[in-house]
Amino acid sequence: GQQVMQIPQYQHVQEGEDFTTYCNSSTTLSNIQWYKQRPGGHPVFLIQLVKSGEVKKQKRLTFQFGEAKKNSSLHITATQTTDVGTYFCAPSNQAGTALIFGKGTTLSVSS
Amino acid sequence: EAGVAQSPRYKIIEKRQSVAFWCNPISGHATLYWYQQILGQGPKLLIQFQNNGVVDDSQLPKDRFSAERLKGVDSTLKIQPAKLEDSAVYLCASSNLREDTQYFGPGTRLTVL
Repeated sequence: GQQVMQIPQYQHVQEGEDFTTYCNSSTTLSNIQWYKQRPGGHPVFLIQLVKSGEVKKQKRLTFQFGEAKKNSSLHITATQTTDVGTYFCAPSNQAGTALIFGKGTTLSVSS
Repeated sequence: EAGVAQSPRYKIIEKRQSVAFWCNPISGHATLYWYQQILGQGPKLLIQFQNNGVVDDSQLPKDRFSAERLKGVDSTLKIQPAKLEDSAVYLCASSNLREDTQYFGPGTRLTVL
């Protein structure tokens, strides 16, 4: 399966600061999904990136897929306390295949 | 649309006991997954079903874990006998055949004493 490394593993920010988590693979990825898991909750789908160099935005969240399709990033502008949780990137080969999750990046935000 | 349902939400057992978890996926979703999430780690796939057939069970500890999805709808995951290291959250997820998005249930938190 395709393994990815996420950095940092933990990040603490003050509310209003920006936050970025990076997802890196040694192999070319077909596509990558991002999930968010709130403390005590379950993973919730955020987005899927498929195309080389793709950039997608969801309000304050910006997702990028690298040109070589070996890395991806999630950037949150002006964090809020509601952004607290663990963000996972997970590659998949095709529809209907299981996801491979790393340890994720756990974000904490203080007000 | 109802989400993925799981029960029980919490279970505490002693080692060497057996336990079973139940999952009902989103209606119409052909693919069902069971993941194990140990504290501080990401979910790890245990088994994947498509309808009532097993697609991937390579990471299922078959000496103690079993799962079935007899009618291609709901599924049960069983552990017998449980070990201390089985303490984790067991997540069920489902997806349809046309898209990659997986929808997760609330999970069952298992504590083995």
